[in-house]
Amino acid sequence: KAGVTQTPRYLIKTRGQQVTLSCSPISGHRSVSWYQQTPGQGLQFLFEYFSETQRNKGNFPGRFSGRQFSNSRSEMNVSTLELGDSALYLCASSPGQANNEKLFFGSGTQLSVL
Amino acid sequence: AQKVTQAQTEISVVEKEDVTLDCVYETRDTTYYLFWYKQPPSGELVFLIRRNSFDEQNEISGRYSWNFQKSTSSFNFTITASQVVDSAVYFCALSEMGFNAGNNRKLIWGLGTSLAVNP
Repeated sequence: KAGVTQTPRYLIKTRGQQVTLSCSPISGHRSVSWYQQTPGQGLQFLFEYFSETQRNKGNFPGRFSGRQFSNSRSEMNVSTLELGDSALYLCASSPGQANNEKLFFGSGTQLSVL
Repeated sequence: AQKVTQAQTEISVVEKEDVTLDCVYETRDTTYYLFWYKQPPSGELVFLIRRNSFDEQNEISGRYSWNFQKSTSSFNFTITASQVVDSAVYFCALSEMGFNAGNNRKLIWGLGTSLAVNP
C-alpha cells in the first residue's frame, strides 16, 4: 500500500506570491490533515478535511486555505506569502471514522520564502 | 489551556545506552489521548503509540517502553539498548476528547526531543 505522498518536496517562492501544495492520502483514507512545522513553533495544526468538507481548523490567517477532492486528495494554498511562512508543511491521512486514530504522515513540502 | 512540554531539546547517547525522553502535559479535560511520534531525517512522522487517559498501564514494545503517570501528568518514553537507527526527533502530542473536542485531529504537540545515538 503506497504511503502518503506530498508534492513538491521543495519549493522556493518570493514574498507576495502564492503557492499550492498537494497531498495524496493512503488509499481508502478519507481524512487529510495539514500541519506547519517550524523550529521555533514546532508542529501546528492548520486544518483537516473529511469527505471534501473542512472538519477542523487551526488558528491560522485566511491566507491559508485548503480543499479536498472526491478522491480524497487534498491541496493547500497559501496566498500573499510572507517570510514567516517558510516551514515544512506536513500532510497526514487517516481513515477518519474514529476519534484519535493514528495519523500517517507524508515526508512534507519544504517551503522557503525569500 | 492544553500544553505539551518536552524539556529535553537534544540528547546524545552512545549506542547500547538506555535513554528516557520526558513528556509533561497540561489539560483540563478528564478524557484525552497521548501520542508519541518519531521523525527520522527523511521527514515523515511515524506513529509509535497512543494511550488514553483511562489506561495507565505501562506498555513495552521491543526496546521501547512508555510510562504514563496521571499523578504527575507525564508520559515518558524509554529506549533500551539504543541503536544508531533510533536517531530522530521524537514528539509527544495530546488530543483532548472533552465535550467540545468533537471529532478532533487537532493534536497539540511538544517541540520535540532530538535524539542522537552515536556508534
